[in-house]
Amino acid sequence: SQQGEEDPQALSIQEGENATMNCSYKTSINNLQWYRQNSGRGLVHLILIRSNEREKHSGRLRVTLDTSKKSSSLLITASRAADTASYFCARAYSGAGSYQLTFGKGTKLSVIP
Amino acid sequence: NAGVTQTPKFQVLKTGQSMTLQCAQDMNHEYMSWYRQDPGMGLRLIHYSVGAGITDQGEVPNGYNVSRSTTEDFPLRLLSAAPSQTSVYFCASTKRGLGINEQFFGPGTRLTVL
Repeated sequence: SQQGEEDPQALSIQEGENATMNCSYKTSINNLQWYRQNSGRGLVHLILIRSNEREKHSGRLRVTLDTSKKSSSLLITASRAADTASYFCARAYSGAGSYQLTFGKGTKLSVIP
Repeated sequence: NAGVTQTPKFQVLKTGQSMTLQCAQDMNHEYMSWYRQDPGMGLRLIHYSVGAGITDQGEVPNGYNVSRSTTEDFPLRLLSAAPSQTSVYFCASTKRGLGINEQFFGPGTRLTVL
């Protein structure tokens, strides 16, 4: 079963506004990663936050992690039309001989110029 | 570096046919994996490998076979194609560290099984 679930499923905003996407998961993690996928393309890694971190920034991206609530959020500030894409969170777990990255179903973001 | 490459980009098969999806990476990554992506389902892990000679099953392994004879290559074999295997297939690789780090994805193979 898929462990990372994004919310909302779809989001439409005006250029310049901020976009917030949330991710929940059910079991333990080593880290949580966010990826972007443009239509018809492969996934591109955006940011990784480790289980002992609470917040991380990369350019216009801000990711938070709350391990007590098993949730993470991705904030894109000052959005641009080029940010239109699907965004996926992925739970990374490795241990007991298992190394897996489990993806959620994604949030489809549309940024209107 | 070419990164992660996948061939073919598109493939149409008839039910019962077999084929191999190729994946190669030139980054000397230990960890490689195969995912399938279906509409509204996100990515689901089929098989993965933590190094040459070592493979393991993911979430949806049935109907697929893998092997890892070299660090660079990780082919995915469809043994007897079924319409339920119509999907987009992505290969990914990452360097092993403390857990699973950033994964690099190939461009995908779009497979249709008639």
